[in-house]
Amino acid sequence: QSALTQPASVSGSPGQSITISCTGTSSDVGNHNLVSWYQQHPGKAPKLIIYEDIKRPSGVSTRFSGSKSGNTASLTISGLRTEDESDYYCCSYAGRQTWVFGGGTTLTVL
Amino acid sequence: QVYLQESGPGLVKPAETLSLTCTVSGVSISSGAYHWVWVRQAPTKGLEWIGTVYVSGTTSPYGGTTYYNPSLGSRLTISVDTSENHFSLKLDSLSAADTAIYYCARLTSGAGQFYWGQGTLVTVSS
Repeated sequence: QSALTQPASVSGSPGQSITISCTGTSSDVGNHNLVSWYQQHPGKAPKLIIYEDIKRPSGVSTRFSGSKSGNTASLTISGLRTEDESDYYCCSYAGRQTWVFGGGTTLTVL
Repeated sequence: QVYLQESGPGLVKPAETLSLTCTVSGVSISSGAYHWVWVRQAPTKGLEWIGTVYVSGTTSPYGGTTYYNPSLGSRLTISVDTSENHFSLKLDSLSAADTAIYYCARLTSGAGQFYWGQGTLVTVSS
């Protein structure tokens, strides 16, 4: 069970859009529609922002969207705001009631 | 509203056993509505799924079906106490590599939704 692969960091300017990738395998990301994304501000617990690959929980901004192609899932944040500066983690079901997370991506809003 | 609160020692010695408890309020852990999960995050590192316990109404008060991260092998035990509405983690043979923030979370397994407690920092040091 290897961690999902995310870029260590991404950056963007206010108002721009950025995309964070999350690459797994045909045993996890590519085999189940159960990728979720979490936002984690420093010193805080992670917060769910996307689940089932593309769905947003109630209360999460429509600026956050998820997608998936093959073994790679993506999180897109549009209309970047300074408050979006945070760490982002993907997670996927990996079969047999096991779960695997990505290594995390630090988003910097310049 | 469902709340989860971790509790346990902040400092543990190498080779000893870590015991943490997650107290759940707002829902019965034996309702079968959720799976109950432990996740950890080493300093400046990513998240790591530790294991899961699922309790249904037909499970014994101290039982539950468990699923563990293979990387933790036989060091890990997750259990439940439905009378106290909490679930627990026990991790044996600690080393510095086990230093981390430990989170408990509720998981809607069919949707992959994790909702988290605030986390508790555990440091393994002599």
